[in-house]
Amino acid sequence: DAKTTQPTSMDCAEGRAANLPCNHSTISGNEYVYWYRQIHSQGPQYIIHGLKNNETNEMASLIITEDRKSSTLILPHATLRDTAVYYCIVRVRNALIFGKGTTLSVSS
Amino acid sequence: KAGVTQTPRYLIKTRGQQVTLSCSPISGHRSVSWYQQTPGQGLQFLFEYFSETQRNKGNFPGRFSGRQFSNSRSEMNVSTLELGDSALYLCASSTQTGRGETQYFGPGTRLLVL
Repeated sequence: DAKTTQPTSMDCAEGRAANLPCNHSTISGNEYVYWYRQIHSQGPQYIIHGLKNNETNEMASLIITEDRKSSTLILPHATLRDTAVYYCIVRVRNALIFGKGTTLSVSS
Repeated sequence: KAGVTQTPRYLIKTRGQQVTLSCSPISGHRSVSWYQQTPGQGLQFLFEYFSETQRNKGNFPGRFSGRQFSNSRSEMNVSTLELGDSALYLCASSTQTGRGETQYFGPGTRLLVL
């Protein structure tokens, strides 16, 4: 499976957009990009996923570059409850292979 | 629709014992995957079951095993517990097996081995 690289930590002010980057330069054509987040040792929460096109749902937007080597998760209006570890996962088989993720801290 | 449920939520065992954890998937989901989370190794895939068959397995010793029942509920068993097995064990379910199927996680079972 392709490996992902994410910054260890990021800060964001409440109400502002949080843009979380992820590099996956070795991604193959049939590998999906998934984003999950985990709040304080709860079970990971699914956010969004995509293959080639940009995606948007009620939680976030996913922007995938045309060459698919990187992507950005956008939380449009971050709140304190968005403070969590965010995992970018490139998945080709049934298993999700988690990296260390990005710790996003949202402050007022 | 109810989410993934896991029982028990917390468990304390001693070295050498065995333990069985249970997972009930979201109604209609037929695939169940198990993960282990520790501070040192992070989240690691254990195995996946679909239609009562193991479809995929991570790099864990044979002490870790699982099964799935006809109603899609799954159990995982760890025999001869070691201190390093202390972890949060997470179960995730999806409708089908496959790379495009979203997995939804339960709250986990926190196991402490003394």
